[in-house]
Amino acid sequence: GAVVSQHPSRVICKSGTSVKIECRSLDFQATTMFWYRQFPKQSLMLMATSNEGSKATYEQGVEKDKFLINHASLTLSTLTVTSAHPEDSSFYICSARDISGLNTEAFFGQGTRLTVV
Amino acid sequence: AQTVTQSQPEMSVQEAETVTLSCTYDTSESDYYLFWYKQPPSRQMILVIRQEAYKQQNATENRFSVNFQKAAKSFSLKISDSQLGDAAMYFCAYRTINDMRFGAGTRLTVKP
Repeated sequence: GAVVSQHPSRVICKSGTSVKIECRSLDFQATTMFWYRQFPKQSLMLMATSNEGSKATYEQGVEKDKFLINHASLTLSTLTVTSAHPEDSSFYICSARDISGLNTEAFFGQGTRLTVV
Repeated sequence: AQTVTQSQPEMSVQEAETVTLSCTYDTSESDYYLFWYKQPPSRQMILVIRQEAYKQQNATENRFSVNFQKAAKSFSLKISDSQLGDAAMYFCAYRTINDMRFGAGTRLTVKP
């Protein structure tokens, strides 16, 4: 199946710093990528949908200036958590949809566990 | 916004037995896809089964099958001959071109 690589898998940062998470589709092109946040023992909450070459669409309640999303190419989307605070600590997952239409499901990265200290 | 509801936070099944996980959704779209994903402790999302809304025939994948009732907006997952490796969180998901949402999840325990 198609592969989505998410990096880093774990990151610890200090309060006030910024952290960038990368999501790459390795063997297919993705016009649309989804970014989710998952708290322990809870579901995946959609944060934003990014489309290549355009601004991301954020879900209600998600601060776009805090969670910067860039989807500059058909294989790469990035999520930058700016001025991170301990409450931003969470598990972040990206998924990418195959542009070819051959695959109907979205493929998921391995996730990033962010800890802000 | 579309919503996905899983009303069973936890389910338990005896090994080799059958279990059904429930899912309902709400949408005004006519073209969409439905999925069941499995999330083990590693937290990697694993696709279990998919269903295109325009297909009337229920999808099957080995021991996994769905009961898709489009009019009722219901999409349940049946796991036959349950195995210890089936123990995980199961999420029902709904997808359109620019949207993909998940239910709250059902934690499945398999008893030996």
